[in-house]
Amino acid sequence: GAGVSQSPRYKVAKRGQDVALRCDPISGHVSLFWYQQALGQGPEFLTYFQNEAQLDKSGLPSDRFFAERPEGSVSTLKIQRTQQEDSAVYLCASTDLGGTYGYTFGSGTRLTVV
Amino acid sequence: QKEVEQNSGPLSVPEGAIASLNCTYSDRGSQSFFWYRQYSGKSPELIMFIYSNGDKEDGRFTAQLNKASQYVSLLIRDSQPSDSATYLCAVNEEGGKLIFGQGTELSVKP
Repeated sequence: GAGVSQSPRYKVAKRGQDVALRCDPISGHVSLFWYQQALGQGPEFLTYFQNEAQLDKSGLPSDRFFAERPEGSVSTLKIQRTQQEDSAVYLCASTDLGGTYGYTFGSGTRLTVV
Repeated sequence: QKEVEQNSGPLSVPEGAIASLNCTYSDRGSQSFFWYRQYSGKSPELIMFIYSNGDKEDGRFTAQLNKASQYVSLLIRDSQPSDSATYLCAVNEEGGKLIFGQGTELSVKP
């Protein structure tokens, strides 16, 4: 596709439910990033992949958060036992240059935990 | 903990005026700096990046970098109502990770 595609666009989860958020990067982009953006805040880094290798997961807020990119293309961010504080927009970005010149974000997934 | 600081605003300017958005960063070793624009309910959109001290111009936008003062700014000339958005400053870390400020909300009044 022409850009980074994320699905679902919106997700409402009951507290304690597991959710999976999908990111389809721009074709051929080796680097993929996940960010979390709370209301009124700037995006915060969660994790980074280069191809299928997860090179940095220092931003994942707890062990309930897990990300994978098994074939070096599509990535999934999974949140187990969701909590209200997980409510945010989850943004995915990809680049073929390691982020040196910035990167393009997808439309995001707005997660609301009720 | 590396930090990027921005005034949250809102910054209100009249149509046609120059809007000046400012950002400071804590890591003196930072090399790359980015400005993103984010409309309400949308994802951030890259509008400028700058690496070298001085000014970089792109249309109505000018990014200014002063590494000695650890200061980055974005000037928007001839501001239009369509420029009303939140502007995010970001600093690149090793590996391509971006550290974002909280954003400055800009309102351009017709």
